Amino acid sequence: AQTVTQSQPEMSVQEAETVTLSCTYDTSESNYYLFWYKQPPSRQMILVIRQEAYKQQNATENRFSVNFQKAAKSFSLKISDSQLGDTAMYFCAFMKPRYGGSQGNLIFGKGTKLSVKP
Amino acid sequence: SQTIHQWPATLVQPVGSPLSLECTVEGTSNPNLYWYRQAAGRGLQLLFYSVGIGQISSEVPQNLSASRPQDRQFILSSKKLLLSDSGFYLCAWSFLYEQYFGPGTRLTVT
Repeated sequence: AQTVTQSQPEMSVQEAETVTLSCTYDTSESNYYLFWYKQPPSRQMILVIRQEAYKQQNATENRFSVNFQKAAKSFSLKISDSQLGDTAMYFCAFMKPRYGGSQGNLIFGKGTKLSVKP
Repeated sequence: SQTIHQWPATLVQPVGSPLSLECTVEGTSNPNLYWYRQAAGRGLQLLFYSVGIGQISSEVPQNLSASRPQDRQFILSSKKLLLSDSGFYLCAWSFLYEQYFGPGTRLTVT
């Protein structure tokens, strides 16, 4: 069974600085997807970024980027130029495609609580 | 564009009472739908998923059930709530390999 581990329960960063959140996962699959979700105090889960395992290039979405190390089974999230609105819980998630298709179930880590300080 | 609705937003129910949470999706047809539960301070746990009307798969044995009476409607139910059913319930729909979540329902069982 696949597992996702986020070893940092809480982190803080000063506004405008850069922070990196860690995530490791365990799987024997070769084809899968990885995601970072953000959950602000409103508790709405928001998709931040995704990475396909078959792609070597790290995904980037504006100030958010990932460092995907497939051999090490590591998937960290870097937030550049941190903003107060980035304060939230961040969840790493793994998905194995089901039945050879593209849709599957998400397996979440326990989350990292990020606080951005002014 | 697609939107996903959940109601109620907040619910307080006594132990042993029934439960019905509703999720609807607009702007898409035949979506895959999911129910997750988030206990306090923890990640999300998949409860049910559905690939079509009347097709429900259960991931975790419990006293909850799910139904999909219409293409874009997903309902989470219980005949008798337990204290351990308290939590934050999220509905999601998927497009390709991305899942998008609703605003959630906070359930407190007293």
